[in-house]
Amino acid sequence: NAGVMQNPRHLVRRRGQEARLRCSPMKGHSHVYWYRQLPEEGLKFMVYLQKENIIDESGMPKERFSAEFPKEGPSILRIQQVVRGDSAAYFCASSPPLIRGLTSYEQYFGPGTRLTVT
Amino acid sequence: AQKITQTQPGMFVQEKEAVTLDCTYDTSDQSYGLFWYKQPSSGEMIFLIYQGSYDEQNATEGRYSLNFQKARKSANLVISASQLGDSAMYFCAIMESGYNKLIFGAGTRLAVHP
Repeated sequence: NAGVMQNPRHLVRRRGQEARLRCSPMKGHSHVYWYRQLPEEGLKFMVYLQKENIIDESGMPKERFSAEFPKEGPSILRIQQVVRGDSAAYFCASSPPLIRGLTSYEQYFGPGTRLTVT
Repeated sequence: AQKITQTQPGMFVQEKEAVTLDCTYDTSDQSYGLFWYKQPSSGEMIFLIYQGSYDEQNATEGRYSLNFQKARKSANLVISASQLGDSAMYFCAIMESGYNKLIFGAGTRLAVHP
């Protein structure tokens, strides 16, 4: 049973280029989350998606960042016109649908994509 | 106010001894979940333990246990019989009911010495 998969693991982009990060959730998981970790900091929530729906994007920067989780295929986090401050580790996590009565469910994290903007 | 506060930027412990990593949280919800994750130097996030706000017993998973004191809003992680492989960053996180996002603390870096 494969875990959460992210690719690429490392991505180098020049300022102004686009970065596309992909995430395939665990089998049976329909909820996907993206988090960003700046150097020496904790993870910060960016966006929560279900298939074809953005449920919560309260942590997404207003410009240049977008996310999708299509009916078929992986979830994509897209960063347009990258700047040096976008250099970070981007983690994807997935969880199964909540069962009635449960407060929450642990999120299973992928290995992360380390984005370096030069 | 910070949702999750981890006051110990760094801790060290002797191999085979127990260590407690502190975590306090701030929420007005009655229903929430508390999580601990480990991040070794390789960078991945490894789920360790979960405590629901309505759970009456402290959560335990092998050498990990959670000292949950609801009135004090603390959820400290206890690692018993430390091993060299426990050296890593440890993050405490909260998920409030109705919000499917984890809010993480700044982390504690644990070093286990032989």
